Amino acid sequence: ETGVTQTPRHLVMGMTNKKSLKCEQHLGHNAMYWYKQSAKKPLELMFVYNFKEQTENNSVPSRFSPECPNSSHLFLHLHTLQPEDSALYLCASSQEIAPSYEQYFGPGTRLTVT
Amino acid sequence: GQNIDQPTEMTATEGAIVQINCTYQTSGFNGLFWYQQHAGEAPTFLSYNVLDGLEEKGRFSSFLSRSKGYSYLLLKELQMKDSASYLCAVMDSNYQLIWGAGTKLIIKP
Repeated sequence: ETGVTQTPRHLVMGMTNKKSLKCEQHLGHNAMYWYKQSAKKPLELMFVYNFKEQTENNSVPSRFSPECPNSSHLFLHLHTLQPEDSALYLCASSQEIAPSYEQYFGPGTRLTVT
Repeated sequence: GQNIDQPTEMTATEGAIVQINCTYQTSGFNGLFWYQQHAGEAPTFLSYNVLDGLEEKGRFSSFLSRSKGYSYLLLKELQMKDSASYLCAVMDSNYQLIWGAGTKLIIKP
């Protein structure tokens, strides 16, 4: 298994559904991130975890709920989403949260909210 | 506020050289990253600059001027596989990455 993996790769859900996105990193990194990527917009940082502790929540609506059970796994729980939440959700990890440490990204989950 | 600007799209010819510019205004500076993202794939790391000057890595080079809030990514001997989006990101004083919207590079034969 290489790098950062994400499941599912594609997800279609109704506004009343509950679903979860999963991310796993096999790099021994200490920090993990959730990003939202919408077409022609900059990556938006949603959540940051460092050594399993949440360090950032960038004003993300409560319909997105992260969970980090250990330093290798990260989840994003979704409920009562809106159509504008349709986007590519990227997970990333880095060795440290410090200068020069690049982030390694997973392939993303393409989410469509109907 | 914090802002990263880069051109939306550029077109270049196979075998040529292209320069993708990035200007930034951020609260603090802890380095500038360039990433490559092919359509439908994950962004992958290309370069990191924290000091002024040019860093060369094979066909790709990255330049930084902190006083001007400016960087560029230089791609030489362009190949069709270089068609991708190129993302500029600055690490701010909180060690968070602030991202540009990306430059879509189209390579023509």
